Amino acid sequence: GAGVSQSPSNKVTEKGKDVELRCDPISGHTALYWYRQSLGQGLEFLIYFQGNSAPDKSGLPSDRFSAERTGGSVSTLTIQRTQQEDSAVYLCASSPPAGGGAQYFGPGTRLLVL
Amino acid sequence: DQQVKQNSPSLSVQEGRISILNCDYTNSMFDYFLWYKKYPAEGPTFLISISSIKDKNEDGRFTVFLNKSAKHLSLHIVPSQPGDSAVYFCAASALGGGSNYKLTFGKGTLLTVNP
Repeated sequence: GAGVSQSPSNKVTEKGKDVELRCDPISGHTALYWYRQSLGQGLEFLIYFQGNSAPDKSGLPSDRFSAERTGGSVSTLTIQRTQQEDSAVYLCASSPPAGGGAQYFGPGTRLLVL
Repeated sequence: DQQVKQNSPSLSVQEGRISILNCDYTNSMFDYFLWYKKYPAEGPTFLISISSIKDKNEDGRFTVFLNKSAKHLSLHIVPSQPGDSAVYFCAASALGGGSNYKLTFGKGTLLTVNP
């Protein structure tokens, strides 16, 4: 079946611009997660959705970062007024309703802020 | 404060031999551990997991061992194949701690299997 998909696969933007990253989770997966991987680092948790609500936004680095999920499916991560330190691979994952356990990742969006 | 540590950035192994990837953790609330494999320009792929009630889990060529007292786990791949060459990430979560959604990752180990 179809896995997690993300778009765009690559994004180059200028400092100060806003960007929107999209995630389509695996059908039927109620939980959705955003992570970020900076160069040479492990994956860093950003935010978690259960259905359309986000019980934990504690990983978002600053108030320039926001995310929403609609219809219990697609999610968008928005970064306002991008900075060079926002350059990273942004990964989305989803997991089935049972919760816990393995999360299944998309291919990521590579963001470069010039 | 790095709660999941993979102290070897890289490992090189001959085809057919055993690959052993190590991971240490500091948070005693972690009770579920996972290994992911990542090829360049792709997302991490789930490989194998283990609950803290077990000390070993096996799936084909992959075996994960957990030593709770040492807060250490390892992934054994035998026999290693060139297609196993990738970055391997160790991850942990606290299923019983109310934050079962959050995975904490190590920085990864680059495995190279030489033909």
